[in-house]
Amino acid sequence: GAVVSQHPSRVICKSGTSVKIECRSLDFQATTMFWYRQFPKQSLMLMATSNEGSKATYEQGVEKDKFLINHASLTLSTLTVTSAHPEDSSFYICSARVSENTIYFGEGSWLTVV
Amino acid sequence: GQNIDQPTEMTATEGAIVQINCTYQTSGFNGLFWYQQHAGEAPTFLSYNVLDGLEEKGRFSSFLSRSKGYSYLLLKELQMKDSASYLCAVMDSNYQLIWGAGTKLIIKP
Repeated sequence: GAVVSQHPSRVICKSGTSVKIECRSLDFQATTMFWYRQFPKQSLMLMATSNEGSKATYEQGVEKDKFLINHASLTLSTLTVTSAHPEDSSFYICSARVSENTIYFGEGSWLTVV
Repeated sequence: GQNIDQPTEMTATEGAIVQINCTYQTSGFNGLFWYQQHAGEAPTFLSYNVLDGLEEKGRFSSFLSRSKGYSYLLLKELQMKDSASYLCAVMDSNYQLIWGAGTKLIIKP
């Protein structure tokens, strides 16, 4: 079964509103979680690295004020897309690091902004 | 249930060819992805197959047979830097990614 769970799997929101996506590690604690965005038929794009108890590290070109990441506990990280626009519509995937060499991925969340 | 199977570990020699297989059973199919992941790093995209056949990209090729629920990743002219984990992932009918556990590829000189 899944060891990393994302919720919701699919969400539709209105332009200008905010939407939160949760990433939970099941049965293990993850000090580090990653958030990705994937465009259709294209590669995963790392957005940010989330470390429990500290600020997320954003990749170049990712607006930290738009994509708010919170990693308040060892089993939960959240990505909030603020003031969403249609171009933010995408597939968002999280992953959680179990150990130095092991990272598990979530099922992904589809965001549609209308 | 949904299932992705790939070998846990493979070993190959520098300069040789290796084929990493992936079999899947999912509720629906909307494409199969291969990713390369070096230890402790984010995965990088290698290929996407949605139609049957072989897709070639330089030293890497990926094959898909939807009727057999089977894919393979072929790596040619292996280099030491190819030592990594290779992840197979299938997008199901709900457009969710189902991930394989990954194949650790060890390249020996």
